[in-house]
Amino acid sequence: AQKITQTQPGMFVQEKEAVTLDCTYDTSDQSYGLFWYKQPSSGEMIFLIYQGSYDEQNATEGRYSLNFQKARKSANLVISASQLGDSAMYFCAMREGTTGNQFYFGTGTSLTVIP
Amino acid sequence: NAGVMQNPRHLVRRRGQEARLRCSPVKGHSHVYWYRQLPEEGLKFMVYLQKENIIDESGMPKERFSAEFPKEGPSILRIQQVVRGDSAAYFCASSPLRLSGHREKLFFGSGTQLSVL
Repeated sequence: AQKITQTQPGMFVQEKEAVTLDCTYDTSDQSYGLFWYKQPSSGEMIFLIYQGSYDEQNATEGRYSLNFQKARKSANLVISASQLGDSAMYFCAMREGTTGNQFYFGTGTSLTVIP
Repeated sequence: NAGVMQNPRHLVRRRGQEARLRCSPVKGHSHVYWYRQLPEEGLKFMVYLQKENIIDESGMPKERFSAEFPKEGPSILRIQQVVRGDSAAYFCASSPLRLSGHREKLFFGSGTQLSVL
């Protein structure tokens, strides 16, 4: 089974609107971390936001927030007030446990912000 | 960008040649990870190294691929006798310490795009 599933290959959003990028995960560990990375056309991977499995509140970082629903095993990224510079690939990732070396990545969602 | 430097950015090789990909981690980071990204796919873990040690190579193909992180100098991912299926983006990431808690994030480089003709 896939550890991370991103079901939206491509998304479009109007500038200044909010958009939600979906991510579901699969793990039997009680302790894990969920991450979102942005990959612009230049190729680098930029860390956006982190959510721990024991965190009771949803993580927020500026215009980014993570809608964490543990029972559903979902960790959707919400981008508010979209900007043209938000156009990029977005990857959801998970690290299991406290000693795991691997980050598991989804296949990504391509977001295009329309002016 | 958190300072991980990868070079070259683009590398073109003919089938059967060797490819050497270099990664200098963030200054002070002693842990390096290599990931491969195939077209339309997410990143796949290949190998995790500390200085002079391979800690986890469970994602590395058994043949033709090797990695090192010497005491001095960058980490090297080496692919011998490349084939067309090796064409991909190869990303290096680093962390300051062993990932002892799931909170620690990885700092990624900009990747090396390998094209095999």
